[in-house]
Amino acid sequence: QLQLQESGPGLVKPSETLSLTCTVSGVSISSSYYWWGWFRQPPGKGLEWIGTSYYTGSTYYNPSLQARVTVSLDTSMNQFSLKLTSVAAADTAVYYCARQPSSPRPQPAPFDYWGQGILVAVSS
Amino acid sequence: SYVLTQPPSVSVTPGKTAGITCGGVHFRSESVNWYQQRPGQAPLLVISYDTDRPSGIPERFSGSNSGNTATLTISRVEAGDEADYYCQVWDSSSNHWVFGGGTKLTVL
Repeated sequence: QLQLQESGPGLVKPSETLSLTCTVSGVSISSSYYWWGWFRQPPGKGLEWIGTSYYTGSTYYNPSLQARVTVSLDTSMNQFSLKLTSVAAADTAVYYCARQPSSPRPQPAPFDYWGQGILVAVSS
Repeated sequence: SYVLTQPPSVSVTPGKTAGITCGGVHFRSESVNWYQQRPGQAPLLVISYDTDRPSGIPERFSGSNSGNTATLTISRVEAGDEADYYCQVWDSSSNHWVFGGGTKLTVL
């Protein structure tokens, strides 16, 4: 059964780097059938896509976060990670990891499996 | 870049039909996805590529896209449908995903 589980610190200090890991079970992240992505949701607000990565190293990032974000895959551990540098209070959110099937269509497929989310607060 | 506009809230009585719109821009060749998010839970994909219903999603959920406005329709609404609903589009001009602001569906 496919499962995605986010892990990492629940509290990060301003100006530091937020680092999260998504552990995937039930499917290999090195499969050519899937991309892997990160999202976030500030308390009481809507969803925001952060970035998506493929086993080849291809990545797409939200233009508003691109300068601070890195999404990478560790195929040996079947995990993928998120790093967000120079965080501020506005980066406080629930962070989700999710799976995106590859699609033969011109438009990418949506995200079909999600982790339960992890709350990360940015505060001194 | 896309700006997707959703009504902040929609209310419906049980057994009736609810429609949630996503619009404000012309959807070029892109199609719209819809997610349901119950309180405290992760989003759940309920409609993909405008009209496709993933396995396990009830037939009561359907989608349409007129080119200017996409609509998620929930027929025979149940109390369990109460949730936030988000539309999503892939902006191919800048290669990034965009979400609408979300609509809170209240079942009266």
